[in-house]
Amino acid sequence: QKEVEQNSGPLSVPEGAIASLNCTYSDRGSQSFFWYRQYSGKSPELIMFIYSNGDKEDGRFTAQLNKASQYVSLLIRDSQPSDSATYLCAVPKPAEYGNKLVFGAGTILRVKS
Amino acid sequence: DGGITQSPKYLFRKEGQNVTLSCEQNLNHDAMYWYRQDPGQGLRLIYYSQIVNDFQKGDIAEGYSVSREKKESFPLTVTSAQKNPTAFYLCASSTNQAYAGELFFGEGSRLTVL
Repeated sequence: QKEVEQNSGPLSVPEGAIASLNCTYSDRGSQSFFWYRQYSGKSPELIMFIYSNGDKEDGRFTAQLNKASQYVSLLIRDSQPSDSATYLCAVPKPAEYGNKLVFGAGTILRVKS
Repeated sequence: DGGITQSPKYLFRKEGQNVTLSCEQNLNHDAMYWYRQDPGQGLRLIYYSQIVNDFQKGDIAEGYSVSREKKESFPLTVTSAQKNPTAFYLCASSTNQAYAGELFFGEGSRLTVL
């Protein structure tokens, strides 16, 4: 089982719709979760992070964490063509396993106008 | 402007040659990282360093080497021992030594072996 798993997609949504991106993780002790956006040919950039259970909203983006089911999701409301990118879910390893961020393979999102 | 500078952006190498990718940051970050990205595989950690003169192997360190002689610099050498070096290489840094949550990335270096 991979530590962080994502559906590779592509996920296609029409402009203005809600895009829902999901990520599952294997370590039940994980406490924080990060979403990075990567445009084609570019480097990733952090767009959201969430700690422990609950929802976190930032503009059109909402991160949702369900620790019981070990998944974290990213919702993008009113999707725009400029949201078309690969979205990477990432989970930090505890200090005793090395201070490093483990990334999922990413989900490709395509927003069609 | 603060940031991370990687060079070169594109590099072609013949088989059997070593190449060094440069990574410089002026963010005053303690921790620096090298990731490799292949299509459909996300980012995989090669090496990381939390402090000057110290570094640790990541998940795919074989065929690579690094140094951390200065806080600002963390160069990566891709040696001839790396079996499949063609990839997109990303350097990153972070402020937090406890865990690497928020990473700041350079623009990347794309290495192609001919």
